[in-house]
Amino acid sequence: DAGVTQSPTHLIKTRGQHVTLRCSPISGHKSVSWYQQVLGQGPQFIFQYYEKEERGRGNFPDRFSARQFPNYSSELNVNALLLGDSALYLCASSLRAAYNSPLHFGNGTRLTVT
Amino acid sequence: GESVGLHLPTLSVQEGDNSIINCAYSNSASDYFIWYKQESGKGPQFIIDIRSNMDKRQGQRVTVLLNKTVKHLSLQIAATQPGDSAVYFCAENPTGNQFYFGTGTSLTVIP
Repeated sequence: DAGVTQSPTHLIKTRGQHVTLRCSPISGHKSVSWYQQVLGQGPQFIFQYYEKEERGRGNFPDRFSARQFPNYSSELNVNALLLGDSALYLCASSLRAAYNSPLHFGNGTRLTVT
Repeated sequence: GESVGLHLPTLSVQEGDNSIINCAYSNSASDYFIWYKQESGKGPQFIIDIRSNMDKRQGQRVTVLLNKTVKHLSLQIAATQPGDSAVYFCAENPTGNQFYFGTGTSLTVIP
């Protein structure tokens, strides 16, 4: 079975541009979460979506937005990119939005902002 | 915010020895914990989870121990192999929407 797939794998943008990252969850998983991982640190929560509705949002500015589609895939959008947005963006899916539903991660999109 | 920390940022073990990776968490209300393994260039990989109503759970070559009294979590890897070399994260979920991750422990297995 396919795991969580993310595209693109790598991306280089310049400051001020916007970016769209895509994620397809594991088949049957209805919840998608996005995390940002800065080099040398653990992942930090950005969003959780379940059944196309936002269920949680981390401490990120409004430049970050996301959505979930009827097929449960998801997009993360970041506007007005800053150098500090350079990071590995991870998508994770889970069966439910419950606290004890384990996250299964994709391999991420490496975003570099120059 | 939540604080999930690891006692040792790096750990080196001989192949065949047992490894123990420790983690401290701060929220006594946290009810669910996961250990992840992250290899270079990959996303975190689920290893094992445990709920707060348990103090021990075993998987294949791995054991997770939970001590709620001192808010401590550990991951034991038996007969460590070179393929176990990676960064290990503990994660806690106190709210249902998000997991809080520690900064990770880098495990190096010496052949």
